[in-house]
Amino acid sequence: DAGVTQSPTHLIKTRGQHVTLRCSPISGHKSVSWYQQVLGQGPQFIFQYYEKEERGRGNFPDRFSARQFPNYSSELNVNALLLGDSALYLCASRPSGGSYNEQFFGPGTRLTVL
Amino acid sequence: AQKVTQAQTEISVVEKEDVTLDCVYETRDTTYYLFWYKQPPSGELVFLIRRNSFDEQNEISGRYSWNFQKSTSSFNFTITASQVVDSAVYFCALSEASRQGGKLIFGQGTELSVKP
Repeated sequence: DAGVTQSPTHLIKTRGQHVTLRCSPISGHKSVSWYQQVLGQGPQFIFQYYEKEERGRGNFPDRFSARQFPNYSSELNVNALLLGDSALYLCASRPSGGSYNEQFFGPGTRLTVL
Repeated sequence: AQKVTQAQTEISVVEKEDVTLDCVYETRDTTYYLFWYKQPPSGELVFLIRRNSFDEQNEISGRYSWNFQKSTSSFNFTITASQVVDSAVYFCALSEASRQGGKLIFGQGTELSVKP
């Protein structure tokens, strides 16, 4: 069975630009979460979506937004990119929105902002 | 406040040594879940184990074992007879039942280097 997939793998942008990252969850999983991992640190929670509704939001500015589609795939959008947005962006899926479920992570998208 | 602390930033051992990775957590919830993930150089986080707050039984899976102690708010991870393939960054994480969305709160990670 396919795991969580993310695209693109790598991305280079300049300050002020906009970026869209994509995630496809494991088949049958209805919950998708996004995390930002800055080099040398643990992942930080950005958003969680379940059944196309936002169920949780981390401490990130409004420049960050996301959505989930009817097929449960998801997009993370970041506007007005800053140098500090350079990070590995991880998508995770799980069967439901419950906090007891382990989350299965994709390989991530490495974003570099110049 | 919820927090996960992994005090060991880096650990280096020689193959076949045993190694313990420490994890201390803070939460006000009575129902919570603890996780360990492995992150190899490829970057993908690999799930290792989940523990709920009502189950303090220690668990062993092959060379891996976990010690959960609520009295000290610790959830330590031991690798017995370490191997080079165990080299990775290991993260401890906390999820609280009261929080909608079930976000994972990660520690800073411990980078384990196993040398031949």
